Amino acid sequence: ETGVTQSPTHLIKTRGQQVTLRCSSQSGHNTVSWYQQALGQGPQFIFQYYREEENGRGNFPPRFSGLQFPNYSSELNVNALELDDSALYLCASSSDRGHGYTFGSGTRLTVV
Amino acid sequence: GQQLNQSPQSMFIQEGEDVSMNCTSSSIFNTWLWYKQEPGEGPVLLIALYKAGELTSNGRLTAQFGITRKDSFLNISASIPSDVGIYFCAGVNSAQGGSEKLVFGKGMKLTVNP
Repeated sequence: ETGVTQSPTHLIKTRGQQVTLRCSSQSGHNTVSWYQQALGQGPQFIFQYYREEENGRGNFPPRFSGLQFPNYSSELNVNALELDDSALYLCASSSDRGHGYTFGSGTRLTVV
Repeated sequence: GQQLNQSPQSMFIQEGEDVSMNCTSSSIFNTWLWYKQEPGEGPVLLIALYKAGELTSNGRLTAQFGITRKDSFLNISASIPSDVGIYFCAGVNSAQGGSEKLVFGKGMKLTVNP
């Protein structure tokens, strides 16, 4: 299967809850990054995983965490949800660093 | 968070017209990327630029990597209705731990009137 697949497509959570978002990358894509895109803005880098290890993080608090698995899938976990966490969360993968990243369609998270 | 300066923020053009947009940064990038995003979808890579001064085309799209490494532009020639969407520039930046992060502009919303 080609492309990057994210699930779920939409999600509504209550403030204070925890959420797990999932991403399935293309086979051989050993680099995966997560981005947060607020309405009307460009995506913002959350963190990147390379061969199952976090190797870079943007300006996001520790309640944003992730995992990458050997089967090229990954997760983004957010604890203690806040209203400002409402956004489109995008997963992007690449087989070679700096050569363009393939994005999934995203998960639209709404925190109420 | 860090964002690139992308302009214009929106454009309304007639089908068949050309459109230009650009992106500037206070930082140097080694790679510039241009993406298009349609409603309900993630960004789709249009063009990647890897060397300062590089001029690259992809069909009706042409992009250039500025020689200062702090800017890039994208041109779309002979626009068609399916060009509608939001166009983002992104610079590739090395982050801590050897990772690479994309720093995006705020996007340019293109509307094409048939």
